[in-house]
Amino acid sequence: NAGVTQTPKFRILKIGQSMTLQCTQDMNHNYMYWYRQDPGMGLKLIYYSVGAGITDKGEVPNGYNVSRSTTEDFPLRLELAAPSQTSVYFCASILGEKLFFGSGTQLSVL
Amino acid sequence: GEDVEQSLFLSVREGDSSVINCTYTDSSSTYLYWYKQEPGAGLQLLTYIFSNMDMKQDQRLTVLLNKKDKHLSLRIADTQTGDSAIYFCAESSGGGADGLTFGKGTHLIIQP
Repeated sequence: NAGVTQTPKFRILKIGQSMTLQCTQDMNHNYMYWYRQDPGMGLKLIYYSVGAGITDKGEVPNGYNVSRSTTEDFPLRLELAAPSQTSVYFCASILGEKLFFGSGTQLSVL
Repeated sequence: GEDVEQSLFLSVREGDSSVINCTYTDSSSTYLYWYKQEPGAGLQLLTYIFSNMDMKQDQRLTVLLNKKDKHLSLRIADTQTGDSAIYFCAESSGGGADGLTFGKGTHLIIQP
């Protein structure tokens, strides 16, 4: 059972480039989340989804887009990468009261 | 909005007990959580407590909840070097559909 899988683990982008962070879960969870983690700042919610076809903004959505065409996949898109988006990104899914995290994507924008 | 506060560092000697404290502001919190993050890894759920409980014990871990003061603590008995990590307090309300609110994390440092 793979749980929540994120790819890639590391990526370096140039300012203005675009990329998609992939997240997939095999637990048939309806609720999925994208967080970013900055040093000493805890985790901030970017976007979340309560089911296929439904997405909502979290606390820090600017500069990001998401889609949820299937229950399994919840990709996060950066259209025009900026240095402020240098961070570690975590995808998560929830069943009941338990939130399960992926291992993270470390992104640097230079 | 909701806020979760934790001290940033805690240093303890190996074998002693560690107590990590957390305060939160959302009076409608239904679940409160402790997550552990080791270097370069994701967050691992350690334990959680429902808001109508005041204590939960799981092996070396004891969670205490004072709902009146909105104070949550995690006690780790017989702290080991493998307990060195960042510990995040988090809360959810409304069933967690809109995610959890996390504190900034407490870095637990173990002295030999």
